[in-house]
Amino acid sequence: GENVEQHPSTLSVQEGDSAVIKCTYSDSASNYFPWYKQELGKGPQLIIDIRSNVGEKKDQRIAVTLNKTAKHFSLHITETQPEDSAVYFCAASKGGSYIPTFGRGTSLIVHP
Amino acid sequence: DADVTQTPRNRITKTGKRIMLECSQTKGHDRMYWYRQDPGLGLRLIYYSFDVKDINKGEISDGYSVSRQAQAKFSLSLESAIPNQTALYFCATSDFPGQETQYFGPGTRLLVL
Repeated sequence: GENVEQHPSTLSVQEGDSAVIKCTYSDSASNYFPWYKQELGKGPQLIIDIRSNVGEKKDQRIAVTLNKTAKHFSLHITETQPEDSAVYFCAASKGGSYIPTFGRGTSLIVHP
Repeated sequence: DADVTQTPRNRITKTGKRIMLECSQTKGHDRMYWYRQDPGLGLRLIYYSFDVKDINKGEISDGYSVSRQAQAKFSLSLESAIPNQTALYFCATSDFPGQETQYFGPGTRLLVL
C-alpha cells in the first residue's frame, strides 16, 4: 500500500519567516495530494490540495508544489503568523477509493 | 466543523470495558471514516463506510468494530478496551464522487486505564 513520509516532525520559526514542510509518497498511481491543518483541540481541516496534473498551486500565503518524478510534494507558508501555529498533515490518495494515507504530521510553531 | 459531531468528547474507561463512540453528520455525505491519532503516528484509518450497506476495514481494525445505523450515523465500538487504545479518535466524512475532501469532527479523547 501507499506510504507517506513527512518531515520535519517539528518546525519552529519566527513570525514573518517562511516555513516548508516536505512529504514523499511511494505509490506512483497516487494522484491527489491534500494538506490539512489541525488547530489545538480541533479536527484537521483542508487548507490546500493539488492533483497530479498540476505542478504548483497557490492560495494567498500558502502554496503546494508537486514533483511526480521524485514522488514528493511540499507545503510552503510565507510571512508566517502566530495563528499559523498548528499541526499540518500531508496525505496522498488515488482514483477509485480515494482513501487518503496521511503523513505523521508536522508541528509548526510560529514565535511572535 | 459543526456539521460533523462526535460524542462523547472525552471518555475515561477501564481495561476490559466495552465502549461506543458515536458520530453524526448533517452534510449528507455517503462516505464516513474512523481514524485514530497518536502522537508522532499521524492519522491511521480504523474503518470506513461508503454507504449504509458497505463497511470496510482500515489498516488498524483489530479490537474495533463499527455500525452504520443510517447515512448520517457511524459508530465505533471497542469490544474490550485495553490501555494501548488510549488515543484521540476522529470521525470524518467525504462526498465522492466530486469531492475528495475529508471533513473531520472535533474528536473524542479516550483514556483506557
